Amino acid sequence: DQQVKQNSPSLSVQEGRISILNCDYTNSMFDYFLWYKKYPAEGPTFLISISSIKDKNEDGRFTVFLNKSAKHLSLHIVPSQPGDSAVYFCAASGLSNAGNMLTFGGGTRLMVKP
Amino acid sequence: DAGITQSPRHKVTETGTPVTLRCHQTENHRYMYWYRQDPGHGLRLIHYSYGVKDTDKGEVSDGYSVSRSKTEDFLLTLESATSSQTSVYFCAISEPTGSNSPLHFGNGTRLTVT
Repeated sequence: DQQVKQNSPSLSVQEGRISILNCDYTNSMFDYFLWYKKYPAEGPTFLISISSIKDKNEDGRFTVFLNKSAKHLSLHIVPSQPGDSAVYFCAASGLSNAGNMLTFGGGTRLMVKP
Repeated sequence: DAGITQSPRHKVTETGTPVTLRCHQTENHRYMYWYRQDPGHGLRLIHYSYGVKDTDKGEVSDGYSVSRSKTEDFLLTLESATSSQTSVYFCAISEPTGSNSPLHFGNGTRLTVT
């Protein structure tokens, strides 16, 4: 039973427009949420994170929104660029003795068309 | 790459043979992790280590063992490889400070079991 879900396997967006990637979770103990970006033949790279005490975190073109009551978070990319084309993974962690053991969603492949 | 090297990058092996994957870090981070990535499942934790000789199981540990004899090296062993272990394996490291330290990943090992 997946505790972190990304229900859209793929998303296609025109360059310059907004990309919105969604993620849902079921475990109320999660208190830290992250987005990773992955290019082919490379490892995932950390993009942006948010703590459960916040509802928004912004870093340049990337903004993550957290709705704790709905157990939902989203990543907004504005404006989208062709270089943003990649697979995006949502991840979550909670109170744990194991450092920052993360639970990942299945990923969403974003394609930004020129 | 945060100083993480995985070897080999690609491996083809036959069912029933033992396989060892190596992760080497130069960051002196205390925590190391092995994840596998499969379509639709995102990344799933196999085993992790929180110090030399200190390891524990993750979500999908059956059929895998690990060892950490030095801070910088974390080995993943498939004692008798099966076709279900065909996957891309990622090593990650972290040095937790509170609960807000992202994991940093290596570039992965693609393993094919025939």
